[in-house]
Amino acid sequence: GENVEQHPSTLSVQEGDSAVIKCTYSDSASNYFPWYKQELGKRPQLIIDIRSNVGEKKDQRIAVTLNKTAKHFSLHITETQPEDSAVYFCAAKSGGSQGNLIFGKGTKLSVKP
Amino acid sequence: DAGVIQSPRHEVTEMGQEVTLRCKPISGHDYLFWYRQTMMRGLELLIYFNNNVPIDDSGMPEDRFSAKMPNASFSTLKIQPSEPRDSAVYFCASSFRLPHRTDTQYFGPGTRLTVL
Repeated sequence: GENVEQHPSTLSVQEGDSAVIKCTYSDSASNYFPWYKQELGKRPQLIIDIRSNVGEKKDQRIAVTLNKTAKHFSLHITETQPEDSAVYFCAAKSGGSQGNLIFGKGTKLSVKP
Repeated sequence: DAGVIQSPRHEVTEMGQEVTLRCKPISGHDYLFWYRQTMMRGLELLIYFNNNVPIDDSGMPEDRFSAKMPNASFSTLKIQPSEPRDSAVYFCASSFRLPHRTDTQYFGPGTRLTVL
């Protein structure tokens, strides 16, 4: 089955710097890759996603890139702000039309003012 | 829409007691997922349903765990008997695959379970 590895597990950056979180997946049939942000004590919320027919997607300060050949995808946050501090989870959808999401272990991002 | 609704938000119980967690998915969504989140194991998928039918329950840790979805607007996750190692936050999520094949899962607020 699908396996998703996420790195780093913790990331500390200075406000205004960029942050990059990387994930690799094992199932070449996976076709949907969302990123979720979870603030302390709250639910995971989707911030951006990408499908396998697209190499890059951007939404304001957030972008996701996908390399299907290498089976890895990354989240890029530019001009980080303290409110970006949270745990970020990547996921990959496998198993065909009825498949489910396999989540990475999460990255705790701390943005220092 | 109110989003995914879970109850209770917090549950404290003693070892050996039965625990029932409840979830109401977003109206019209045809997939429902139950997750467990702990510091040690992260976010684990326990079971998911499509049109009220369980598709994959391989993540259910033991026979003490059971889940049902009697109709499109309600699901339960039951633990009987509960043990201290079941302490975790349990999330329910739902999604709507057709016709837009969105795949986006919307999470409920979670139930924080503490088993003493």
